[in-house]
Amino acid sequence: ELKVEQNPLFLSMQEGKNYTIYCNYSTTSDRLYWYRQDPGKSLESLFVLLSNGAVKQEGRLMASLDTKARLSTLHITAAVHDLSATYFCAVDGNNNDMRFGAGTRLTVKP
Amino acid sequence: DGGITQSPKYLFRKEGQNVTLSCEQNLNHDAMYWYRQDPGQGLRLIYYSQIVNDFQKGDIAEGYSVSREKKESFPLTVTSAQKNPTAFYLCASTSLRTKAEAFFGQGTRLTVV
Repeated sequence: ELKVEQNPLFLSMQEGKNYTIYCNYSTTSDRLYWYRQDPGKSLESLFVLLSNGAVKQEGRLMASLDTKARLSTLHITAAVHDLSATYFCAVDGNNNDMRFGAGTRLTVKP
Repeated sequence: DGGITQSPKYLFRKEGQNVTLSCEQNLNHDAMYWYRQDPGQGLRLIYYSQIVNDFQKGDIAEGYSVSREKKESFPLTVTSAQKNPTAFYLCASTSLRTKAEAFFGQGTRLTVV
């Protein structure tokens, strides 16, 4: 069964600092997602990564995928308060069963 | 506009009552999913469907039922057998062919009264 592990679960950052969120998964997959969730809201799609070595960037966020290591990273550059949210990774299993990590609750402090 | 719509936004259930949550998409997506989210927690997979008239159990299917009679619709029934149904329920859909992003509805917040 597909397992998805995210760390850290909680992250408190100073504005302007850099940090990385990690997502490990247990079986081979051909699709990995990163989502953002604001309190009380649904999920907003950030990135879809489909192949080994894929890298995508949007603003201060950059996601990468290493399918051999079954690892994806979400790198935050020069954090700002508006990035405060919960970030989830999700992975497609062999049966197209999309499963989520536990989420990383990010707080960016001035 | 294309999208995925969940209704209602808020739902209250009495003890012993079945309730049905609606999820409709007009994106021509093959796959649809239902997740449960408890406060401060991640998303747990309840049921998913890849084609019409077929669906599979996820990790927490007990006390829930689904149907997929049309490609556009994937309703979730929370039965009286689900002893702790208070949660935020999220529906998602995606194309298995294009492998693009999965889209989420706005969610239904279910409360037992």
